[in-house]
Amino acid sequence: EAGVAQSPRYKIIEKRQSVAFWCNPISGHATLYWYQQILGQGPKLLIQFQNNGVVDDSQLPKDRFSAERLKGVDSTLKIQPAKLEDSAVYLCASSPMVSSYNEQFFGPGTRLTVL
Amino acid sequence: DAKTTQPNSMESNEEEPVHLPCNHSTISGTDYIHWYRQLPSQGPEYVIHGLTSNVNNRMASLAIAEDRKSSTLILHRATLRDAAVYYCILRDLDQAGTALIFGKGTTLSVSS
Repeated sequence: EAGVAQSPRYKIIEKRQSVAFWCNPISGHATLYWYQQILGQGPKLLIQFQNNGVVDDSQLPKDRFSAERLKGVDSTLKIQPAKLEDSAVYLCASSPMVSSYNEQFFGPGTRLTVL
Repeated sequence: DAKTTQPNSMESNEEEPVHLPCNHSTISGTDYIHWYRQLPSQGPEYVIHGLTSNVNNRMASLAIAEDRKSSTLILHRATLRDAAVYYCILRDLDQAGTALIFGKGTTLSVSS
């Protein structure tokens, strides 16, 4: 079974520039998550989708971050404009819709450096 | 979600057992105990979960205290590949579809 795919793996940008990350979840997984992991900390949820609808975006900085999952499959996370504090690893995860134990499967992440 | 407390770091030698503790004194009756680990430069991966009884799988064992206020993840024979950050996370059964809430976890170092 193919895992969660993310691209790019690494990205370096200047502050105030824009950047986009892509995620392709495991086939058939209805739930998709984007997490932000700052160095030395555990991942923190940014946004959760159920199919193509947003379930939780309470921790997404909506003035600069946006995300979409138009066809209920792959997803894009965008930052515009980037700030220095956005330097982090952005992790995508997916899980089956019906899973009482909610095992989540994570991609390798995209490491963003903002200069 | 209820809070968990883990040591910041632990060390082990290769091929020796490792016991990773987790305290969760405010755990509720419907909270499952989940463990994930994160290898260097990778996303977290599921290790094991349990409710009340001890659990075993191919990766590890989970020992849960009788009062459920603490648990221990047991790696029976550590290998260099087990060097990772281990996260203990409580998940309410009623919140099975929501995101995981990670703490800082325990960084396990394994020496040969």
